[in-house]
Amino acid sequence: DTGVSQDPRHKITKRGQNVTFRCDPISEHNRLYWYRQTLGQGPEFLTYFQNEAQLEKSRLLSDRFSAERPKGSFSTLEIQRTEQGDSAMYLCASSFEGLAGINEQFFGPGTRLTVL
Amino acid sequence: RKEVEQDPGPFNVPEGATVAFNCTYSNSASQSFFWYRQDCRKEPKLLMSVYSSGNEDGRFTAQLNRASQYISLLIRDSKLSDSATYLCVVNRHNTDKLIFGTGTRLQVFP
Repeated sequence: DTGVSQDPRHKITKRGQNVTFRCDPISEHNRLYWYRQTLGQGPEFLTYFQNEAQLEKSRLLSDRFSAERPKGSFSTLEIQRTEQGDSAMYLCASSFEGLAGINEQFFGPGTRLTVL
Repeated sequence: RKEVEQDPGPFNVPEGATVAFNCTYSNSASQSFFWYRQDCRKEPKLLMSVYSSGNEDGRFTAQLNRASQYISLLIRDSKLSDSATYLCVVNRHNTDKLIFGTGTRLQVFP
């Protein structure tokens, strides 16, 4: 399978615990994105990387959230001291800038986080 | 007001019908436009990019009106398998993040 992969697919945790998610992008893609989606809403942007550089962060990304992409390949998203409001689907996407600069992003299956 | 607005639906249509979804965006700096399809509890999948001149892919036709800041998706000869949520998405100039609408739900019945 050459698509975007994410691990784990589901995570249930207790409030206050730390969680870490992993994303492996499509191999030739140099851009990697994290989004969050709650029920009935479209995905909301969190942050993105070009190679290993984190180029943009949303104000949704509080100081409890940190993302890394140390070697420009896979990425991790960590949430510290989880809160019930963090319960959502966390989606990773990757892209490679194509002709005319159209940024087509391809999504992984997501990690569904439930904070009890 | 949300930056990308869509009618949430649901649109309930019989097989074989033609259905159209509309979307408006508020930021005139929006540069690229897309329609994604999302099945229940699955990830969004890119359906098609939307080009200024309009474009067609099989039964799907997308149109862009920059002056009115409006995007449309037309589905002809609806199939049961078209049942899903259709997300209107824009990408602003000088940023790579995608801005999603809340989606329009389509249910095709036999």
